[in-house]
Amino acid sequence: DTAVSQTPKYLVTQMGNDKSIKCEQNLGHDTMYWYKQDSKKFLKIMFSYNNKELIINETVPNRFSPKSPDKAHLNLHINSLELGDSAVYFCASSHYAGVGGNTIYFGEGSWLTVV
Amino acid sequence: GENVEQHPSTLSVQEGDSAVIKCTYSDSASNYFPWYKQELGKRPQLIIDIRSNVGEKKDQRIAVTLNKTAKHFSLHITETQPEDSAVYFCAAIGLSNTGKLIFGQGTTLQVKP
Repeated sequence: DTAVSQTPKYLVTQMGNDKSIKCEQNLGHDTMYWYKQDSKKFLKIMFSYNNKELIINETVPNRFSPKSPDKAHLNLHINSLELGDSAVYFCASSHYAGVGGNTIYFGEGSWLTVV
Repeated sequence: GENVEQHPSTLSVQEGDSAVIKCTYSDSASNYFPWYKQELGKRPQLIIDIRSNVGEKKDQRIAVTLNKTAKHFSLHITETQPEDSAVYFCAAIGLSNTGKLIFGQGTTLQVKP
């Protein structure tokens, strides 16, 4: 059973296109995240939703728009793709987003290449 | 702002030796410090974590120490094996209701057989 699953795993697309990455978790968690990992392996949070409510929105271009139809799903839509958007995008989830922290479980990643 | 510094960026050891990775954090309110291991082409996975009410935690060959006064924490791997080769990330989370996890820059560990 895949706890956090995201699709597609690989995506190659041209500059200017619009694309979406979907994520689903079957852990019953309240909180979901999108992280971006660049070519230098640096992991940076982009967004977080807690029970469908946006709670973290880092300095990300507004071409990136997350959507959470329910607490088990968090999708990422990217408009007008640029070369610099090429990266691995990880979806993740955790039981809650409260004080003290808790284990974050990552999906397998979506490798986005913009050409 | 919140920041986590991790050193070294690369580490090469002989099989059987110990490896130590160090991190410092800036937010004195941080109280949860996980370590993640990421193998090539795979997802980051939690290997050990520590909370601010303890100074050390062990799990077989892996241990983490925390010095809250100095705001640093370390990962210790003993008797390293080739399968320990991976990128290791430290992280810190603060006293907020957002669950925001700040990652260090990562350490690429190579264990030579």
